[in-house]
Amino acid sequence: KAGVTQTPRYLIKTRGQQVTLSCSPISGHRSVSWYQQTPGQGLQFLFEYFSETQRNKGNFPGRFSGRQFSNSRSEMNVSTLELGDSALYLCASSSSGGTLDEQFFGPGTRLTVL
Amino acid sequence: DQQVKQNSPSLSVQEGRISILNCDYTNSMFDYFLWYKKYPAEGPTFLISISSIKDKNEDGRFTVFLNKSAKHLSLHIVPSQPGDSAVYFCAASEYGSGNTGKLIFGQGTTLQVKP
Repeated sequence: KAGVTQTPRYLIKTRGQQVTLSCSPISGHRSVSWYQQTPGQGLQFLFEYFSETQRNKGNFPGRFSGRQFSNSRSEMNVSTLELGDSALYLCASSSSGGTLDEQFFGPGTRLTVL
Repeated sequence: DQQVKQNSPSLSVQEGRISILNCDYTNSMFDYFLWYKKYPAEGPTFLISISSIKDKNEDGRFTVFLNKSAKHLSLHIVPSQPGDSAVYFCAASEYGSGNTGKLIFGQGTTLQVKP
């Protein structure tokens, strides 16, 4: 079974631009969560989607948004990029997003904002 | 507010010895705890978990201990192997419809196992 894939793997943008990251979950998984990883902060939860609906959201500004398609693939968008948005963005999929559901992570997209 | 804390950024142990990674949490509503391992250029992979109704869970060389009164958990790796060298993240979750798909992670501890 193919794992979680994320594209692109690396991205360089400048301040003020916007960016879209893509995540394809494991086949059959309907829940996709997004996390931001920065040095010293660990992974911070951005949001979770299930059946094309955002069910849960972390404490990030409205510049961070996402969506999920009918095939469970998900995208996240960051508008008006700031230097502090430079991070590794990870997505994880699980069958239903429940507490005991194991989350499987993709390799991440490394975003650098100049 | 960091609800899950890993106060040791790094740990170095000799091959064959025990590695002990620690994690503290502040939210008493957490009821499920996990450890993930992360190699460079890869996403975190699930290692072991423990429910709040237990105080110990063992899987091969890996054992997780939970002390609810102290809000503390630890991961023991015995014996440690060079291939265990990675970043280890402690994570917690809280049951409830408002918490779907959400894990709260610590900052991570980089473990180096020397041959």
